[in-house]
Amino acid sequence: GAVVSQHPSWVICKSGTSVKIECRSLDFQATTMFWYRQFPKQSLMLMATSNEGSKATYEQGVEKDKFLINHASLTLSTLTVTSAHPEDSSFYICSASTPGDISYEQYFGPGTRLTVT
Amino acid sequence: AQSVTQPDIHITVSEGASLELRCNYSYGATPYLFWYVQSPGQGLQLLLKYFSGDTLVQGIKGFEAEFKRSQSSFNLRKPSVHWSDAAEYFCAVGAVNDYKLSFGAGTTVTVRA
Repeated sequence: GAVVSQHPSWVICKSGTSVKIECRSLDFQATTMFWYRQFPKQSLMLMATSNEGSKATYEQGVEKDKFLINHASLTLSTLTVTSAHPEDSSFYICSASTPGDISYEQYFGPGTRLTVT
Repeated sequence: AQSVTQPDIHITVSEGASLELRCNYSYGATPYLFWYVQSPGQGLQLLLKYFSGDTLVQGIKGFEAEFKRSQSSFNLRKPSVHWSDAAEYFCAVGAVNDYKLSFGAGTTVTVRA
């Protein structure tokens, strides 16, 4: 149980284009989803927290107009990197929490590697 | 805000030897503590978690961790390492009423034959 998928697993796009990454909870309803960014050999940096049906909350320093997050349903959140540039190349990981989980555990997706050329 | 320190960036251990990864946290109340493992190019898999009760926590793949409030630590241990344990290990801390997690910098474990 508690499986989270991401699509695509990797994507290459040209500078200036936009790319959308999907995060789905496959066997549970996720009221809260999180988006992280991970640079090579580094830790996970939380970008934003999204709750179903409401606007995402972005961490300090994260451009909300560049990283658009939509959490339209209890099983799907999307991250759109708009006007991507090479510095946006990174590994993006989403996670989800189940409502009422008193341990606050997050279930992680396999990640999406974005390369901007 | 809560924070996590993993003092060891890289650890090399022989197959069959024991492993201990250190994690120190900073938080004013009882934290929620997690250990995750990440294989190259993969997402994170939960090894174990602590949020209340017995301070010695058993996890998957033969791992265990002990919560020591007096030392603000949550060290991960495994008595006998397998080559498949080579990966990146992250300690994370969460706070009551806050679903966000703060991750440590990670420890890379290399297993030599």
